[in-house]
Amino acid sequence: DGGITQSPKYLFRKEGQNVTLSCEQNLNHDAMYWYRQDPGQGLRLIYYSQIVNDFQKGDIAEGYSVSREKKESFPLTVTSAQKNPTAFYLCASSITATGNTEAFFGQGTRLTVV
Amino acid sequence: GQQVMQIPQYQHVQEGEDFTTYCNSSTTLSNIQWYKQRPGGHPVFLIQLVKSGEVKKQKRLTFQFGEAKKNSSLHITATQTTDVGTYFCRYNQGGKLIFGQGTELSVKP
Repeated sequence: DGGITQSPKYLFRKEGQNVTLSCEQNLNHDAMYWYRQDPGQGLRLIYYSQIVNDFQKGDIAEGYSVSREKKESFPLTVTSAQKNPTAFYLCASSITATGNTEAFFGQGTRLTVV
Repeated sequence: GQQVMQIPQYQHVQEGEDFTTYCNSSTTLSNIQWYKQRPGGHPVFLIQLVKSGEVKKQKRLTFQFGEAKKNSSLHITATQTTDVGTYFCRYNQGGKLIFGQGTELSVKP
């Protein structure tokens, strides 16, 4: 089945620890995105990648890092510098980054920092 | 810079009533997309509007793009409990694909 997979679905971490969220797609899409969603809030763009080996900061990149070494993978690291990391994280991909192609989303990872 | 406001933030309706959410931009949009997110789920693409004045329909859902391409709306006729969720518009802001704040729809049976 083609699609976009995020893992794990739920993640618990202690304060001060870095944590990496996985996002894999087998849709052969060039563009990939990470969004953060807080309860009752919209989706805020953390990082995006238009093509492999390239990525740009979104609106709330502070405290996060990404890599795009392979076309199908776009992992997100939540570092200890992120002041309030508890949130629902959504990864998405689209054929191109032009904004006129549909975005497909993973099931999301719910991160809780205690 | 470009400002896009999505209103209202919440809408509570009785089943059978109509519902409308709006995205209003301060500048012209190249295109706009609409997504639906069910409670506990992830956003799912509904439709894309590209042309000035475009109107598209999907069963009880009607999507419009304003003549000036600065405004868009999603209208649901005769809501059902299956329409519950949050509806988002999505647009291109200088290469970044940004979502509106969303409108959360609740439907009372």
